[in-house]
Amino acid sequence: QSALTQPASVSGSPGQSITISCTGTSSDVGNYDLVSWYQQHPGKAPKFIMYGVNKRPSGISDRFSGSKSGNTASLTISGLQAEDEADYYCCSYVPSNMVVFGGGTKLTVL
Amino acid sequence: EVQLVESGGGLIQPGGSLKLSCAASGFTIGNNYMTWVRQPPGKGLQWVSVIFGGGATYYADSVKARFIVSREISKNTLYLQMNNLGAEDTAVYYCARGKGNSPGLGDFDLWGQGALVTV
Repeated sequence: QSALTQPASVSGSPGQSITISCTGTSSDVGNYDLVSWYQQHPGKAPKFIMYGVNKRPSGISDRFSGSKSGNTASLTISGLQAEDEADYYCCSYVPSNMVVFGGGTKLTVL
Repeated sequence: EVQLVESGGGLIQPGGSLKLSCAASGFTIGNNYMTWVRQPPGKGLQWVSVIFGGGATYYADSVKARFIVSREISKNTLYLQMNNLGAEDTAVYYCARGKGNSPGLGDFDLWGQGALVTV
């Protein structure tokens, strides 16, 4: 159950778009469209913001979008806002009946 | 109100045991898969275990044979029994609810506030 690989940090200015990558293997990310994403502000519990690669839970802004190519999933945030500054984690199903998270990416809004 | 509230965290000596509880309200835990996720201080999220609606349980390799997830439907409460604890188990432990009607096992749509376990 090796952690999925995410960049340690990304940054962008308000209004810009950023993309966070999440790289796994052909056994997890590459083999299932079962990638989810979480946003975590300091001292808070994670918040569910994407599932099934590109589906947004109710109440999540359409500024958040997801995609996948091969063994790499991506989260794109458009129209960056100050409140988007947080840590972001990807998560994938792993056979059998297990889950693995990415190492996390710190997003800084400049 | 739909929520999860963890309790039972604290300071424990290496080799000791601790049992966390996660009280659910606003929904029935038996209708969803429920999971435990932990976060060591200053580090990322780590999946720990899952219990399905039918009662089947699965664990991360790092806790297998030491941790036991269970539930008491009548109390609408999830538990995590942690045995033979080591320094590497120091973390905030979150319980979370699996999203209903979702094919993914990592779709956790409701989280508790977390309970700190320090070994």
